[in-house]
Amino acid sequence: DTGVSQDPRHKITKRGQNVTFRCDPISEHNRLYWYRQTLGQGPEFLTYFQNEAQLEKSRLLSDRFSAERPKGSFSTLEIQHTEQGDSAMYLCASSLLASQETQYFGPGTRLLVL
Amino acid sequence: AQSVSQHNHHVILSEAASLELGCNYSYGGTVNLFWYVQYPGQHLQLLLKYFSGDPLVKGIKGFEAEFIKSKFSFNLRKPSVQWSDTAEYFCAVKTGNTGKLIFGQGTTLQVKP
Repeated sequence: DTGVSQDPRHKITKRGQNVTFRCDPISEHNRLYWYRQTLGQGPEFLTYFQNEAQLEKSRLLSDRFSAERPKGSFSTLEIQHTEQGDSAMYLCASSLLASQETQYFGPGTRLLVL
Repeated sequence: AQSVSQHNHHVILSEAASLELGCNYSYGGTVNLFWYVQYPGQHLQLLLKYFSGDPLVKGIKGFEAEFIKSKFSFNLRKPSVQWSDTAEYFCAVKTGNTGKLIFGQGTTLQVKP
């Protein structure tokens, strides 16, 4: 399968701990997106990269959140000092910048903060 | 602020019934429009997309959607649903030069056999 992959698929942590998620995009895709989805809601945009450059960050992304894509391939999303409100599904998507850009989603990482 | 509204939160149909899910967006400029589906236990998959041209677009599994610019709408339709269409459906919009998608809150479709 050459789709978007995310690791881990599930994460349980205690409040105050730091967590890091990884996303591997579809090969050759130069854009990579992070979204957050809570129960009963659609995905909400967090941030995205074009190659290694972070082009946009949502106001939802507090200072506790940081994302990187150091070599323009995989990306990591880190949450520091987790809070219970951070519990959600974190989705990654990738795309090829083109006139008809289409995002393809990974399976997500489900985070539970106790 | 740009937003996407899906009017039906939960729809229950019998097999062979026709389906129409509403989607409206708020943005006055050029838009790209998408419908994604999430089957139980699976990740988001693209159903269909509109960029330009014919406002009636056809997607996978017999789904289609019509872009009506004057109504800011992109409703999803299927003439005859199957039990396997049970899933959550999300409408999404891409606006301007940004790459991000703005999603509606989703519609849960339950098809009774």
